[in-house]
Amino acid sequence: DVKVTQSSRYLVKRTGEKVFLECVQDMDHENMFWYRQDPGLGLRLIYFSYDVKMKEKGDIPEGYSVSREKKERFSLILESASTNQTSMYLCASSLTSGANTGELFFGEGSRLTVL
Amino acid sequence: GESVGLHLPTLSVQEGDNSIINCAYSNSASDYFIWYKQESGKGPQFIIDIRSNMDKRQGQRVTVLLNKTVKHLSLQIAATQPGDSAVYFCAENYSGAGSYQLTFGKGTKLSVIP
Repeated sequence: DVKVTQSSRYLVKRTGEKVFLECVQDMDHENMFWYRQDPGLGLRLIYFSYDVKMKEKGDIPEGYSVSREKKERFSLILESASTNQTSMYLCASSLTSGANTGELFFGEGSRLTVL
Repeated sequence: GESVGLHLPTLSVQEGDNSIINCAYSNSASDYFIWYKQESGKGPQFIIDIRSNMDKRQGQRVTVLLNKTVKHLSLQIAATQPGDSAVYFCAENYSGAGSYQLTFGKGTKLSVIP
């Protein structure tokens, strides 16, 4: 089974702190994604990457950056955390080709609270 | 812009009854659709998918129906069980654009009454 692992399930940070959210997948997927999930707003795409060292902005990239130095790892960075970044962050991965192209495999989520 | 939406935000069903969760999509070029289930405190999990060259696909206790004419997608759960209580999301993708992104609906919360 595909496993997408997010390093932290719960984090509490202070305004202005730098935050790293780490995600690792073990199925050699080309594509990796970061979403945030908020009540009433559903899942919104922050950034995605379709290859090592490649990144593309999603729908809400402001205040975030990402890093993909290795195929299996995709990091989300909040340079200076703000209270409006309190949210559930979900990492996902997918294949580029094959019968299940497009199917996203999600991690368990990282719930970030910024005080 | 194009979006995926849901008709009902909440749905309560009696245990043992069938559940139907609906989804409307607006991008007529979308050719791949997925239903996800998200239990409280967990990430979304794949339930079933369907491509636009099909109208119906069945899994274990679940059926997805696609009506391209009215751009409507539904998820049917047979003999709903308490473990089916969760939020269900539909998602769409247009693979022809080379995009690997899924566009998600807002979700429907399914509550099963014992």
